[in-house]
Amino acid sequence: EPEVTQTPSHQVTQMGQEVILRCVPISNHLYFYWYRQILGQKVEFLVSFYNNEISEKSEIFDDQFSVERPDGSNFTLKIRSTKLEDSAMYFCASREQGTGQPQHFGDGTRLSIL
Amino acid sequence: LAKTTQPISMDSYEGQEVNITCSHNNIATNDYITWYQQFPSQGPRFIIQGYKTKVTNEVASLFIPADRKSSTLSLPRVSLSDTAVYYCLVGERQAGTALIFGKGTTLSVSS
Repeated sequence: EPEVTQTPSHQVTQMGQEVILRCVPISNHLYFYWYRQILGQKVEFLVSFYNNEISEKSEIFDDQFSVERPDGSNFTLKIRSTKLEDSAMYFCASREQGTGQPQHFGDGTRLSIL
Repeated sequence: LAKTTQPISMDSYEGQEVNITCSHNNIATNDYITWYQQFPSQGPRFIIQGYKTKVTNEVASLFIPADRKSSTLSLPRVSLSDTAVYYCLVGERQAGTALIFGKGTTLSVSS
């Protein structure tokens, strides 16, 4: 069964450094998402992306965050200057076009900011 | 988006049927009901989705009464590996729509 893959599985970064999290969505999917989950808390929406544009973003997704689809297969989340509070699991999701299609999630990247 | 209420936790034994009920009194006409499962350190996994009546797949059934103000996820004959957090989400499933997760129901299955 096709799946969303994310790399790396764990990223350790010094505070203030830039980090790029990578995702390969399911191949025929056209809508892409990033979510995060701080340890012990809820899964939180960050951003959705379609047709090379951001469709929707949350208050969490401030100027420090950006997303890109650099080629036909990858979808990336960049955090420009990481803070301690950015430590979390980051999940990528994708879905097919059409009403009622579910989002499918990857297994996430654990980001640890030191 | 409609607010959902589900139990914080449930306990069961292997081989039992587990029913997790979710209340969503303010569900809108265009809203779907979707359930996800999450294991520790993994991403949410789609289980089942429905609009009305009953939906069944290879892992679960979803029962939705006529008024759609609640729904019940039914897991037949659970095993230890079904121990996870289960999320009920309600919303218009248009493309690009954010999923809003609550705290979910933590299901613990014992032998």
